[in-house]
Amino acid sequence: DAKTTQPTSMDCAEGRAANLPCNHSTISGNEYVYWYRQIHSQGPQYIIHGLKNNETNEMASLIITEDRKSSTLILPHATLRDTAVYYCIVRVEGSNYQLIWGAGTKLIIKP
Amino acid sequence: DADVTQTPRNRITKTGKRIMLECSQTKGHDRMYWYRQDPGLGLRLIYYSFDVKDINKGEISDGYSVSRQAQAKFSLSLESAIPNQTALYFCATSDPSGTHGIHEQYFGPGTRLTVT
Repeated sequence: DAKTTQPTSMDCAEGRAANLPCNHSTISGNEYVYWYRQIHSQGPQYIIHGLKNNETNEMASLIITEDRKSSTLILPHATLRDTAVYYCIVRVEGSNYQLIWGAGTKLIIKP
Repeated sequence: DADVTQTPRNRITKTGKRIMLECSQTKGHDRMYWYRQDPGLGLRLIYYSFDVKDINKGEISDGYSVSRQAQAKFSLSLESAIPNQTALYFCATSDPSGTHGIHEQYFGPGTRLTVT
């Protein structure tokens, strides 16, 4: 299974775009990239996922490089409530559908 | 009301005791999961179930067992608790026919378990 590498922590000013990088250099062609976040010690929350193309929803945008070895999650207008740990996750499309979680990035939004 | 609930929310128990953590969901999802989270780390899958008659081991099933009593209920048991099972435990559900299909899991609020 592919693994991910993320910075341990990042800061971002409120109202600015938060760009969270993720390296998944060993990802294979059928592995999706997922982003979840966890606020305090609450249950994680799904944000977005993608395979090859860039994706956008009401929460964020996901930019995947052409070689698929890295991706960036973009929160376009960060608010204080976006302070959380953000997990970049990969999963193999197979019989067990397991998510492989790393340690995530602690994103702190500053006023 | 929350779609995925877990009881208890906090539990302190002694080494060697048997304990059960319960998960209930009102989302009507067939798939349910149990994860544990250690401080500063991501989640690790313990067991998962794709329907009432289906139980599968995850990454770290040793020392744990599960029971899928109904579509809505999935319980995790620690047969003989040990201190290194102290962790935050999450239940989750998913629905292949949902908006994001198999790609989105919905998590409960977690159970903080301490084994002394």
